[in-house]
Amino acid sequence: DTAVSQTPKYLVTQMGNDKSIKCEQNLGHDTMYWYKQDSKKFLKIMFSYNNKELIINETVPNRFSPKSPDKAHLNLHINSLELGDSAVYFCASRREGTGELFFGEGSRLTVL
Amino acid sequence: AQSVTQLGSHVSVSEGALVLLRCNYSSSVPPYLFWYVQYPNQGLQLLLKYTSAATLVKGINGFEAEFKKSETSFHLTKPSAHMSDAAEYFCAVSYNQAGTALIFGKGTTLSVSS
Repeated sequence: DTAVSQTPKYLVTQMGNDKSIKCEQNLGHDTMYWYKQDSKKFLKIMFSYNNKELIINETVPNRFSPKSPDKAHLNLHINSLELGDSAVYFCASRREGTGELFFGEGSRLTVL
Repeated sequence: AQSVTQLGSHVSVSEGALVLLRCNYSSSVPPYLFWYVQYPNQGLQLLLKYTSAATLVKGINGFEAEFKKSETSFHLTKPSAHMSDAAEYFCAVSYNQAGTALIFGKGTTLSVSS
């Protein structure tokens, strides 16, 4: 069983569209994250939820809206997509005590 | 505020040579430190972690790292490189408190030639 799974793996869309990425973890962790990896491979924290509560909200355009229906799921919705949103988005969950993150395989978003 | 600096965006070694990837951190409290590896088109996989136990940490695939508080460093080493080690390596810092995230360095690309 995959510990952290994201769908879709690839997403190609036009500017101005709205899209969502879904994430699920079966590790029983309380805290989940969204990271953005740009074309230079730099990883930047976007959001974090702890047991359905938003606890980290970095400087991200409000076109990005995370939602956590339960502690095993963290979804990312993006409105009015722009060219600069093209990146790989990684979902992760955190093991309490050690701070270790478990990552999904990433969702590559391409905005044309 | 926490931060991580990885010295050298690209390191090239020959197969069988020593691998040394450098990482320095900045943290106002005792840190947790991590090395992750990313193979092409894949997610990040944990190589090893330091969480205030032994300062010399052994990880997977023959990698190890030593936490040196006086130098604020956590360099990653492997005695003998293998072709399959070619990947992107990320150093990251965090600390054990709710509401924290891993802060990553900019990554180092390791190339291994035969």
